[in-house]
Amino acid sequence: EVQLLESGGGLVQPGGSLTLSCAASGFTFSTFAMRWVRQAPGKGLEWVSGISDSGRNTNYADSVKGRFSISRDNSKNTLYLQMTGLRAEDTAMYYCAKRGGRGYHDFWGQGTLVTVSS
Amino acid sequence: EIVLTQSPATLSLSPGDRATLSCRASQSITSSLAWYQQKPGQAPILLIYDASNRATGIPARFSGGGSGTDFTLTISSLEPEDFAVYYCQQFTNWPITFGQGTRLEIK
Repeated sequence: EVQLLESGGGLVQPGGSLTLSCAASGFTFSTFAMRWVRQAPGKGLEWVSGISDSGRNTNYADSVKGRFSISRDNSKNTLYLQMTGLRAEDTAMYYCAKRGGRGYHDFWGQGTLVTVSS
Repeated sequence: EIVLTQSPATLSLSPGDRATLSCRASQSITSSLAWYQQKPGQAPILLIYDASNRATGIPARFSGGGSGTDFTLTISSLEPEDFAVYYCQQFTNWPITFGQGTRLEIK
């Protein structure tokens, strides 16, 4: 059974930093691209970042480019999202998601909540 | 960036009714479209991928259609557990984008 378990969310002040983790199990982690998708309170889904299976290729939404960094440790079956320069508009539930097929998300974690507020 | 526009924003129907949700892309995405269902307080789940393929474990009452710029998600006969928010997502171009969602509510 595929499981994705996010952690690391919390309350942080504007301008602060936070690192999210996503522990994966139930599939061969090193052979699948992974993504982060966020959802602001009461709003829709927004893709944030993606990383290839090897970790060599990464992509970012314009809204987080230069502030967020995605990485993975295939030996630990873990995906990360380093977030710096956090803003109020980064407040959201952050989901990690496994990429399926040609680019959809076939499994999602339960999410970790990031709140940026003073 | 490809913009996905979902309609209607809210759909009010009764159990047993047929539901038809629409997703329109700002440019052709061939069949690179997925549909997700999200219930309050839960993560999204994949319903349909590649426009018309049901994901594993998804009931046959859910079906997807369309190609190019116009897509539909149809629920043939609504069950009480189907009342939720539905999102479409394209994966033909970066950045990946989602529609704004359709809320399916009980009439």
